[in-house]
Amino acid sequence: GENVEQHPSTLSVQEGDSAVIKCTYSDSASNYFPWYKQELGKGPQLIIDIRSNVGEKKDQRIAVTLNKTAKHFSLHITETQPEDSAVYFCAAGRANSKLTFGKGITLSVRP
Amino acid sequence: EAQVTQNPRYLITVTGKKLTVTCSQNMNHEYMSWYRQDPGLGLRQIYYSMNVEVTDKGDVPEGYKVSRKEKRNFPLILESPSPNQTSLYFCASSFGQGSNQPQHFGDGTRLSIL
Repeated sequence: GENVEQHPSTLSVQEGDSAVIKCTYSDSASNYFPWYKQELGKGPQLIIDIRSNVGEKKDQRIAVTLNKTAKHFSLHITETQPEDSAVYFCAAGRANSKLTFGKGITLSVRP
Repeated sequence: EAQVTQNPRYLITVTGKKLTVTCSQNMNHEYMSWYRQDPGLGLRQIYYSMNVEVTDKGDVPEGYKVSRKEKRNFPLILESPSPNQTSLYFCASSFGQGSNQPQHFGDGTRLSIL
């Protein structure tokens, strides 16, 4: 089955700096890669996703890049703000299979 | 408002006392799923359902049951809860098959089994 790993498990950045969170996956057939943000006391919320026919996707300060050859994808947050502090999960999935999540990373943005 | 609603949000109970956590979605989604979240282990899937009367095991189904009699509801049943089922539980739903579609999560149910 699919195995998704997230590194590092915690990340602390200064407000205004960029943050990069990387995930690796094992199943070359996976073709859908979402990122979820979980704030305290809330359920995970989708912030961006990418499909395997695209190499990069941006949405304002957030971008995701996908390297299918190396089987990794990364979340990039620019100009970080305190409200970006949360737990971030990556996941990998494909049709007729389940969505597999990474273990999550806690991002702290220092004011 | 499109949402996934879980009840209860918090529950403290004792070993062996059957309990049900309800999940309801108002988006007409085919796919629904239950996850548990534990420190250091991330989100692990318990059961999922691709449509009415269709359910299947996820990664950690032992000790749990589910049913999908209606499209909007997907209750999680713990017939004889044990302390190792103390966890934070999330229900999620999506269009299509779920594994390649954005999932909408509820706000979670924190269960403590004493």
